[in-house]
Amino acid sequence: AQSVTQLGSHVSVSEGALVLLRCNYSSSVPPYLFWYVQYPNQGLQLLLKYTTGATLVKGINGFEAEFKKSETSFHLTKPSAHMSDAAEYFCAVSYAGNNRKLIWGLGTSLAVNP
Amino acid sequence: EAGVTQFPSHSVIEKGQTVTLRCDPISGHDNLYWYRRVMGKEIKFLLHFVKESKQDESGMPNNRFLAERTGGTYSTLKVQPAELEDSGVYFCASSPDWETQYFGPGTRLLVL
Repeated sequence: AQSVTQLGSHVSVSEGALVLLRCNYSSSVPPYLFWYVQYPNQGLQLLLKYTTGATLVKGINGFEAEFKKSETSFHLTKPSAHMSDAAEYFCAVSYAGNNRKLIWGLGTSLAVNP
Repeated sequence: EAGVTQFPSHSVIEKGQTVTLRCDPISGHDNLYWYRRVMGKEIKFLLHFVKESKQDESGMPNNRFLAERTGGTYSTLKVQPAELEDSGVYFCASSPDWETQYFGPGTRLLVL
């Protein structure tokens, strides 16, 4: 069965430090890959996505992610954390033969310490 | 352009009652999806409409859940009768192209 694993349900970084949120998926077919963010008391907002083409994708707010097929990974990074990055981050995948419904990881709650 | 809207934002009901959630997609988006997140678990797919037709309802938990999409515009998700395990956040998303889904703010449902 297709699944998404996010390592670490809670990640804490210092302001200015590197943010690395991990996402791995299991699938034998090429997926579309997404990162969504949920700020406190808000809905889900698309951060970035990979569909085809360049494997390094840039998103909003300075985030980027790299699709590594050999590792079945799509880790999210940001060079320097800001206090406003504190939120819950979700990795999700979709497949052409699956009506493009999203399959989600459990989410990672990011805390940024001053 | 207005985003996806959901109503109500919160609902607290007692077990056995009926609740209807509404989703208004972005204008022109033929695809509409419902998802649910139960506390402590991952967000899960419920169903997918293309215009007014149900394309995939494989994620609907049971027959207490009924979804409709009137005229291919807004959608409602009715839970009747509600059970304790139905508590969670219900998200609606719309998409123009089966590629990117745009989400509403969610409805937080608490069944007591």
